Amino acid sequence: DVKVTQSSRYLVKRTGEKVFLECVQDMDHENMFWYRQDPGLGLRLIYFSYDVKMKEKGDIPEGYSVSREKKERFSLILESASTNQTSMYLCASSFPNLAGSTDTQYFGPGTRLTVL
Amino acid sequence: DAKTTQPNSMESNEEEPVHLPCNHSTISGTDYIHWYRQLPSQGPEYVIHGLTSNVNNRMASLAIAEDRKSSTLILHRATLRDAAVYYCIRRGTNNAGNMLTFGGGTRLMVKP
Repeated sequence: DVKVTQSSRYLVKRTGEKVFLECVQDMDHENMFWYRQDPGLGLRLIYFSYDVKMKEKGDIPEGYSVSREKKERFSLILESASTNQTSMYLCASSFPNLAGSTDTQYFGPGTRLTVL
Repeated sequence: DAKTTQPNSMESNEEEPVHLPCNHSTISGTDYIHWYRQLPSQGPEYVIHGLTSNVNNRMASLAIAEDRKSSTLILHRATLRDAAVYYCIRRGTNNAGNMLTFGGGTRLMVKP
């Protein structure tokens, strides 16, 4: 079974802190994604990566950066955490599909981040 | 990904079939329909997907209307563990980065 793990289930940080969220997948997937989930807004894509050292902005990249130094690991970085970044953060991975329409994304359990 | 429309919530009794509807009236000929679900305190998980024909797997069945403007996810015998939010997602072939666009979904409540 595919496994996507995230470094923490719950995290509490203070405003202005630098925050690292780690995601690891064990299925040799090329694609990796970071989403945030907020009530009433559904899942929104922050960044994705389709290969090592490659990254693309999603719908809401402001205030975030990412790092993909190894294929299995995709990190989300909050350079200076703010209260409006309090959210559930979900990582996902998939094999690439050229048509883009049939790949299955596998999600981690999520990290609930609270910024005080 | 463009929009799909689902009811906000539905209720079912345990061990009865559940039919979860989804409207996607502006679907194009090459768009697939995917379903994911999210159990409480977990990340979303893939359920099923299809293009034109009805599809079955161990989790569910997907019935796609002939005009493809709607589809129905069928859980043949609901269990308490099926209580989740179910998302219907339209995925086109020009989907940048293979990302998923989740709408509000349908919250399924299963009564014992």
